[in-house]
Amino acid sequence: NAGVMQNPRHLVRRRGQEARLRCSPMKGHSHVYWYRQLPEEGLKFMVYLQKENIIDESGMPKERFSAEFPKEGPSILRIQQVVRGDSAAYFCASSDLENTEAFFGQGTRLTVV
Amino acid sequence: DQQVKQNSPSLSVQEGRISILNCDYTNSMFDYFLWYKKYPAEGPTFLISISSIKDKNEDGRFTVFLNKSAKHLSLHIVPSQPGDSAVYFCAASARRGGSNYKLTFGKGTLLTVNP
Repeated sequence: NAGVMQNPRHLVRRRGQEARLRCSPMKGHSHVYWYRQLPEEGLKFMVYLQKENIIDESGMPKERFSAEFPKEGPSILRIQQVVRGDSAAYFCASSDLENTEAFFGQGTRLTVV
Repeated sequence: DQQVKQNSPSLSVQEGRISILNCDYTNSMFDYFLWYKKYPAEGPTFLISISSIKDKNEDGRFTVFLNKSAKHLSLHIVPSQPGDSAVYFCAASARRGGSNYKLTFGKGTLLTVNP
């Protein structure tokens, strides 16, 4: 399966802990996008990365959230000191070019207890 | 401020009939529109798209219509099949404005196709 792979599928964290969400793009894709879906809402853009570069992080909360896409390995979305309001489904998507359709992974469902 | 609105949270149709899902947008910078289908516990799957230079795009059972003056688009599925039952998201981007990668999604419409 050469699709976008996200792990873990489900993640439970206590308030104040750190959450690390991983995304391996489709083979040959160098553009990665992270979206968040809160309950009863549509997906909202968070950040766009290319290898080793953050292109647009205008949708990222100013504090506690960070993202990276290193030269080797998956893209990581990191949430420090999680709060209950961070509970959501986090989707990663990838594309081969900026103008082509993005393919989504199955998402990571984060629950903060 | 919701820039992409799907005003019907749910829609139920009979197998074999037409399903029409609607979407309105407010941002006149949007020039590229997409529909995604999503099953529970899965990621969105791209269905069909349309550029603002067109008013219709067809792919098999799926047709998207765009009315730029009304800032409205719709997805027609005909004939509808039980396997089409899913949440459908409308999304838009502003490609000419340089934000072609940043999709703005509606809240989705749950389509149920009854056998």
